[in-house]
Amino acid sequence: NAGVTQTPKFRVLKTGQSMTLLCAQDMNHEYMYWYRQDPGMGLRLIHYSVGEGTTAKGEVPDGYNVSRLKKQNFLLGLESAAPSQTSVYFCASRDGLAGSNNEQFFGPGTRLTVL
Amino acid sequence: AQSVAQPEDQVNVAEGNPLTVKCTYSVSGNPYLFWYVQYPNRGLQFLLKYITGDNLVKGSYGFEAEFNKSQTSFHLKKPSALVSDSALYFCAVRDYGNKLVFGAGTILRVKS
Repeated sequence: NAGVTQTPKFRVLKTGQSMTLLCAQDMNHEYMYWYRQDPGMGLRLIHYSVGEGTTAKGEVPDGYNVSRLKKQNFLLGLESAAPSQTSVYFCASRDGLAGSNNEQFFGPGTRLTVL
Repeated sequence: AQSVAQPEDQVNVAEGNPLTVKCTYSVSGNPYLFWYVQYPNRGLQFLLKYITGDNLVKGSYGFEAEFNKSQTSFHLKKPSALVSDSALYFCAVRDYGNKLVFGAGTILRVKS
């Protein structure tokens, strides 16, 4: 199993450009999450999904959009990148069994710089 | 809302000595608590979790955590630190809607 993979690993954008980050998991997990990590702030939830075709806003959703057209993929889009979106982005997934408190599995991260 | 706090930005310990990384929580209802570790340029890895039951939880790589309800704490511990334990450690609590809320993280430096 590859677990959770993220594409690309690094990216540099200019202000106003758009891009899509791809997250894929091969564990048949129901739940998927997108976080951003900034120094001294831990991980903050951007958007998440509780199943194929569903999405929901997290703590810091502004400036981002997501889609979950297939169960194994969760896409994070930046329509018009801003320097404030310079960060490391992590995707995670977890089992969705009813009443489950299973841990989340994380991808390796995408380092995004917006100039 | 559920929250966790990690009061120390950095913890320094000598190899072979015991280590403690602190975490306190604030929740409505029963807490579901987690510890994760992040090595440089890597994603987070799960260490252990507390759901119910025994207050001392054992996890990966020889780590354990002690749940203390009266002090609302969930400190991460290891009896004998290794240089390879040097990393960034996150405490997290389950929030409503199957989400996790993370602390700011604590850098652990183990010196030989």
